[in-house]
Amino acid sequence: DAGVIQSPRHEVTEMGQEVTLRCKPISGHDYLFWYRQTMMRGLELLIYFNNNVPIDDSGMPEDRFSAKMPNASFSTLKIQPSEPRDSAVYFCASRPDGWYRTQYFGPGTRLLVL
Amino acid sequence: ELKVEQNPLFLSMQEGKNYTIYCNYSTTSDRLYWYRQDPGKSLESLFVLLSNGAVKQEGRLMASLDTKARLSTLHITAAVHDLSATYFCAVAAPEGSQGNLIFGKGTKLSVKP
Repeated sequence: DAGVIQSPRHEVTEMGQEVTLRCKPISGHDYLFWYRQTMMRGLELLIYFNNNVPIDDSGMPEDRFSAKMPNASFSTLKIQPSEPRDSAVYFCASRPDGWYRTQYFGPGTRLLVL
Repeated sequence: ELKVEQNPLFLSMQEGKNYTIYCNYSTTSDRLYWYRQDPGKSLESLFVLLSNGAVKQEGRLMASLDTKARLSTLHITAAVHDLSATYFCAVAAPEGSQGNLIFGKGTKLSVKP
């Protein structure tokens, strides 16, 4: 299995631009999570999906952030417009069904907003 | 609101020494996870602890869980340089516990010769 796949791995953009991050979960995993990691705030859950349905988006910082999961093998996290404070590493993780199962993290997208 | 605290946040050890990382959490939970993150890399699952008194060991690392004390420990035995990384504990949020994990700030471990 290829594991969780994220793209791009690095993104540099200018303030005000739209940014789209992509994630392909492990096949057969029912849950997908988006996290943001910064030095100041640590690892924060932004949103998670179960069977393509958003379950909890309370961690999404503001309306500039949106996430979709159109099918079981693809999810996007979009920031529009981007701001310098959005600079962080964004991780996607997935896990199979089963309340005790661990999450498998992708390699992350390192985002820098200038 | 569930809070997860790890200590210490930074740990510098000499090779061959033993040490323990602590993870405290504020409300009842039935699952606790330990992850490892190497610099610039992703998070890798180490242990899943599901019940009071659970103990898991792999190599020089041993994790335990005391749900009554709301405490988990990650014990390092005879540290080696390869163990240098940041270690996170994560606790399942009690509400909607099907998915959500709350992560500690992480303990950055540096093992020196």
